[in-house]
Amino acid sequence: DSGVTQTPKHLITATGQRVTLRCSPRSGDLSVYWYQQSLDQGLQFLIQYYNGEERAKGNILERFSAQQFPDLHSELNLSSLELGDSALYFCASSVAVVNEQFFGPGTRLTVL
Amino acid sequence: GQQLNQSPQSMFIQEGEDVSMNCTSSSIFNTWLWYKQDPGEGPVLLIALYKAGELTSNGRLTAQFGITRKDSFLNISASIPSDVGIYFCAGQGAGNTPLVFGKGTRLSVIA
Repeated sequence: DSGVTQTPKHLITATGQRVTLRCSPRSGDLSVYWYQQSLDQGLQFLIQYYNGEERAKGNILERFSAQQFPDLHSELNLSSLELGDSALYFCASSVAVVNEQFFGPGTRLTVL
Repeated sequence: GQQLNQSPQSMFIQEGEDVSMNCTSSSIFNTWLWYKQDPGEGPVLLIALYKAGELTSNGRLTAQFGITRKDSFLNISASIPSDVGIYFCAGQGAGNTPLVFGKGTRLSVIA
């Protein structure tokens, strides 16, 4: 158990809908990262927050947004969902911005 | 952007054999990390490397930070069935840039 929690574990929804994925980092970690992993693909970095502020952005679509709250948990919002958004979404956390990242168990999103 | 080439893509080995995999980069990295992912689960950090030439072990796993800072190697000795999974390398360059992940090496162990 990495100490990073993610909810929900599974999510099934329809095209055009909007969903919110939630992540709680390890105790003491200030940085939160979001990744997307499609079938048989590597991990694609989406976005990073550090202590509530956006720190770095990767290949995140405009339909996706995220935030980190004062209690350091983070949410990833995915809107106008398309079939191609079906994937595993992982959250990771680290103590600082340059450090080992610890991953949560992921949320499997299926868009029908 | 930065890219990592991880090889081999997949390997089938007999239980008890040693395994080697590597990652190469087109640019210099300051940090190399190795993760293992089981199906449907999150990647688990195996080894972290912070210095060129560094050799670090974690049980039967040994990883090295290449002296050119553009490559890293992971070795698994005396493989066992629970070593099955996908192994990812990840590198981080200067300036707090995000981690870049390789595409993974899928390891299968035949008992």
